[in-house]
Formats: sequence, structure tokens, C-alpha cells
Amino acid sequence: DAMVIQNPRYQVTQFGKPVTLSCSQTLNHNVMYWYQQKSSQAPKLLFHYYDKDFNNEADTPDNFQSRRPNTSFCFLDIRSPGLGDAAMYLCATSRDPGGTQYFGPGTRLTVL
Amino acid sequence: AQSVTQLGSHVSVSEGALVLLRCNYSSSVPPYLFWYVQYPNQGLQLLLKYTSAATLVKGINGFEAEFKKSETSFHLTKPSAHMSDAAEYFCAVSDTGGGADGLTFGKGTHLIIQP
Repeated sequence: DAMVIQNPRYQVTQFGKPVTLSCSQTLNHNVMYWYQQKSSQAPKLLFHYYDKDFNNEADTPDNFQSRRPNTSFCFLDIRSPGLGDAAMYLCATSRDPGGTQYFGPGTRLTVL
Repeated sequence: AQSVTQLGSHVSVSEGALVLLRCNYSSSVPPYLFWYVQYPNQGLQLLLKYTSAATLVKGINGFEAEFKKSETSFHLTKPSAHMSDAAEYFCAVSDTGGGADGLTFGKGTHLIIQP
């Protein structure tokens, strides 16, 4: 009965090698979010989709992109990962804007 | 702009003792407030939320929080700590303005339970 699924749970990539993280939901929620959480820090919003409308946070690096091909799936693309991009990446969904957010288990990204 | 301050990056209590985790918020509009718990290498799990209904909110695992507008606070409490409560706790605020905004989190409080 998993509601927000993230794959893979652990991802290792090389410096500069593009990587894609996946998130899917069975809740049929309208809004999907991506957060970055570095070690011992609070999650930080990168961007979100409200249906098909993409909203980028002002300080999200251009290196980070996102795609939402349909209601259920959302992808985070890191075009050229740097060592500073190593973090836990959390996907969340909410039924409506400002509503309760439900989080997936996260993907821990390691950059070598 | 909204912000959240969690006092105390680490809180240690004895098993069976009262748990009190502090959270103060700043918001230009009536806020939605949340407490999430995070276990090691896992995502965030919602404990409870305040959305302008009752000011005393009861959540899962015996936790509750009280919204105090005059103090701009939303402290989390549990009468009797259990070893399984050891985790990271995040307070978060959401703007109720209607935009599809994300959550603004506090820096988190690591709860340690002493046997």
C-alpha cells in the first residue's frame, strides 16, 4: 500500500555524470515536490509541479531539472552532479496547493 | 516570507519522561503548521498538523501540539517518552495563501531517549 515511491533508494554516480531520480505516487495528488536534504540539515524545496505547471525555487541551481510526464510520475534530473550535490532527495505529494504533504522514503545520492 | 525556528538541535529525555520540542514560526498570513518525524535513512512521516481548526492537535504515537497565536508557537509534546521515539523531528510551516508552495522547515531537533 505504498503511496509515494522513490527509486532507487540509493544511487551512486560519478562527478559530472548525469543522473535521474524517480518518484511515483498512487494517491492521484495534483502537486508533486522535490526536496534536497543534506546531512544533518532540514529539507530544502527545489521545485514543484502543480498538475503540469512547473515552479522552480529562485535559488535552485540550473543543474537541477524536473519532468512530470503524467500525474503519477515525477523525475529529478541532475545534469552534471558535483560533490556538493550528494544528499538525500525527497519527493512529496499533496492533493491541493498548501495541503498536507506526504513524503516518499527518499533517494540517497552519492557522488564519487 | 515565512520561517520556523526550532529551539535546541538536540533534546535528551529519560524513558517515561515528558517530551517537549519547541517550535516558533513567522508567517505573514495564517499558517498551516506541521510536525514531521524522520528515522535514519528514511523519509518524513507526518505526526500532526494544524490548519486553523482546534488549537490543540492530536497526532500519531501519542504526540500532540498546541497552536498559540500570541506566542507564535507550535510546541510538540508527549507525556511519556518511549525508546522508539528517538528520531529527528521537524517543524514546518506552509503558507495558506493558496499557492502551490512547499513547506519551510525548521532545522530539526534530534530527540535522544535515555534508558
